[in-house]
Amino acid sequence: AQTVTQSQPEMSVQEAETVTLSCTYDTSESDYYLFWYKQPPSRQMILVIRQEAYKQQNATENRFSVNFQKAAKSFSLKISDSQLGDAAMYFCAYRSAVRSEKLVFGKGTKLTVNP
Amino acid sequence: GAGVSQTPSNKVTEKGKYVELRCDPISGHTALYWYRQSLGQGPEFLIYFQGTGAADDSGLPNDRFFAVRPEGSVSTLKIQRTERGDSAVYLCASSLMGQGPSPLHFGNGTRLTVT
Repeated sequence: AQTVTQSQPEMSVQEAETVTLSCTYDTSESDYYLFWYKQPPSRQMILVIRQEAYKQQNATENRFSVNFQKAAKSFSLKISDSQLGDAAMYFCAYRSAVRSEKLVFGKGTKLTVNP
Repeated sequence: GAGVSQTPSNKVTEKGKYVELRCDPISGHTALYWYRQSLGQGPEFLIYFQGTGAADDSGLPNDRFFAVRPEGSVSTLKIQRTERGDSAVYLCASSLMGQGPSPLHFGNGTRLTVT
């Protein structure tokens, strides 16, 4: 079974600075998708960014970018120019492209943004 | 509606009682998912519907848990003989196709407390 590991339970960053959240995963598959979701106190999971494993180019969405290292099974999230509204729980998630439609989530990283 | 709607937002029940949690997905989304999120954990998959049928119910923890989606839209998660260990946030999500990079759109969840 696939597993997702987020080794940083908590991280903090100064407003306007850059922070990187780590994620590693374990799979024997070659075709899959990776996601980062944000969960503010409202509880709603909000998609931040996604990456197709067959794409070598790292995904970017405005201030959010990923460093996808397929061989190392690593998928880190970089947040540039951090804003107070970025404070939330961040979850890394894996989805197989062939076996199942379900997302497998990590335990999350709590990000605090200091003014 | 514009997003996934879950009702009630909070539910307190006594041990041994029966509860129903409702999810109203985004209009036109054929795929619907239920997840359970315990305190300090990432969401854990429960069940996935494609249309009216349960395509994958491998995450249901035991036979006290059951979910239906009779008309391929609204879904109800039913928990019989509730136990204190069932206390968690129950998240519902919908997706346009339920496969590939198609993202999941989550509701705000139902916080279930079993006393």
